[in-house]
Order: sequence, then C-alpha cells, then structure tokens
Amino acid sequence: DADVTQTPRNRITKTGKRIMLECSQTKGHDRMYWYRQDPGLGLRLIYYSFDVKDINKGEISDGYSVSRQAQAKFSLSLESAIPNQTALYFCATSDSIVQETQYFGPGTRLLVL
Amino acid sequence: GENVEQHPSTLSVQEGDSAVIKCTYSDSASNYFPWYKQELGKRPQLIIDIRSNVGEKKDQRIAVTLNKTAKHFSLHITETQPEDSAVYFCAARIGAGNMLTFGGGTRLMVKP
Repeated sequence: DADVTQTPRNRITKTGKRIMLECSQTKGHDRMYWYRQDPGLGLRLIYYSFDVKDINKGEISDGYSVSRQAQAKFSLSLESAIPNQTALYFCATSDSIVQETQYFGPGTRLLVL
Repeated sequence: GENVEQHPSTLSVQEGDSAVIKCTYSDSASNYFPWYKQELGKRPQLIIDIRSNVGEKKDQRIAVTLNKTAKHFSLHITETQPEDSAVYFCAARIGAGNMLTFGGGTRLMVKP
C-alpha cells in the first residue's frame, strides 16, 4: 500500500547512537501506530497517536520516543540504540471513524551492532 | 491487559488441503478479532475480521469462527494454494478505542 511509506527501509547503526525512523501517510487517517516485529513475538505496539496532540505509550515504549509532526507524519526515535532493539519496525494507520482496519507501511529493518 | 496466544507457530499442508490456525484471548471484554496475512518481505494486510456479535464469517476460501464462551477464535483456509503461504497473525481488541493485541504468528507453508 503506497499510501503509507517509511524511511529508511534498512538501517545499520551502532550501540549508543540516536536514530529516527519516519512514517508518512496520504490516506488522511487520524490514527497512527508504531510496532516492532520479532520472530515468534508477533507485532508489539510501541506508541500510538489518535491525532497531532495525542500521544500514548504502547506495550513496549521503554527506550523509544515519538513525534507527531503533522496528521500525515509520525516519527519514532531510539534515543540510545541497543542491540536488543534490532527488529523490523512497522508504522500503521487507521481511520478514526471506521477504525478497525490498520494499514501498514513497508517496514524498516534495523540492525544495532 | 489483553493476552493473545496463537497456535501452531508453523503449519505445513499439501496444496488442496485445509489449514486451521487457532487463537485464544484472555479478556472477555474483547469484541473485535482481525486476521492479518504477511507474505515474505511484505507488510501485514487484513484478510478477514469478526466482531463479537457474530459466530462465523466467510470470504471465499477463508472463514473465521469465534467461540466467546471459550475465548478462542480460528482461521480456516480451504483448498489451500501455494500463494496462501505466508505468516498469519490473529489479534484482539477491547472496545472501540483500545489497541490491537497480536498473537505470535503462524508460518503457513503450502507444498505443491
């Protein structure tokens, strides 16, 4: 779904570095989410935002922060990356009116050395 | 919070056979249960969902059943095809404003 994009698609970084993952959407959705995917653990919610002024912690927010710069943009930051943050990160969006379906971005594969 | 367990973690079937993936959830207040399919290297996409006021829902070769008493729901794929090979995730949601909790995923392999 080209309406939800993520940059970068792949990133290698070193322990202790700050890194930002960006998500943009053209679907006009109010709600945006950040998940991480690890083998056998499914998709776990990091942060979510229902609108520009609303930011909420998810299941595994420690070590992460987010910024909702506009309705269309939601960024995830790792303030000081550590190896166990190596994972596949997905951004997703949903409509606040018919909000069940979540539309995922293509994912960012992050490796922390 | 909600906890969703998914079984099996891997499933291998012959083309044409049926496949069943099962999920259990912990919170009886959960009222929405979607299934997402993730093909290799791709993003998860919704394939079917069911709400708590319905016991079964079908869409061509796929169906989902819900047993609220036992707090489990299942995905059924009939006449499997190689393109059904993917990772499937179940999820549960409490209320309209709450978030989805996903199961750990099932890797389905359909052998031609």
